[in-house]
Amino acid sequence: GQNIDQPTEMTATEGAIVQINCTYQTSGFNGLFWYQQHAGEAPTFLSYNVLDGLEEKGRFSSFLSRSKGYSYLLLKELQMKDSASYLCAVRVSGTYKYIFGTGTRLKVLA
Amino acid sequence: KAGVTQTPRYLIKTRGQQVTLSCSPISGHRSVSWYQQTPGQGLQFLFEYFSETQRNKGNFPGRFSGRQFSNSRSEMNVSTLELGDSALYLCASSPRGLEQYFGPGTRLTVT
Repeated sequence: GQNIDQPTEMTATEGAIVQINCTYQTSGFNGLFWYQQHAGEAPTFLSYNVLDGLEEKGRFSSFLSRSKGYSYLLLKELQMKDSASYLCAVRVSGTYKYIFGTGTRLKVLA
Repeated sequence: KAGVTQTPRYLIKTRGQQVTLSCSPISGHRSVSWYQQTPGQGLQFLFEYFSETQRNKGNFPGRFSGRQFSNSRSEMNVSTLELGDSALYLCASSPRGLEQYFGPGTRLTVT
């Protein structure tokens, strides 16, 4: 089957670091994606991992371990505007089909 | 570059009716995907088109259909609407079939 798991909700303080985990079980893998979605808005692309390791992009980093079916999104120096849902998605190999997790709602407190 | 546009933004329909939603991708993007987003299920993949061909389809009944035109614009159609079809329908375009750029969505309410 196809399954992606993420925590439903997380809370962190402004200026802190937060790690959002994602585990997946899919019939084939061809890349893991992270998207940010503010309430009432469309998802926006954050990062893409296809090989194991860490990809860094400013305050955001994403890690992938294909053997463990595991990824995380690391957000540093949290700002209030980072309060949003973070969606983990897997592209199924051999297809242009994407499986999304239900998202992690992050609340950043002052 | 202009982003992905979707029309209409809001729609209210009655059970049994049909609806057509439209999506214009970012200029130069030939891949267009459609998703249904509901609070309980998250984003569910409907289908993906490239150069007027449907390359992949999600696990939705045949009432959900789509098409893509030669200018990459896409439409999706839902026939015989059910209450459970109430959702946000998102369209996304992609330059390389990797990262996707989403439109603002069409909020469909079925009464």
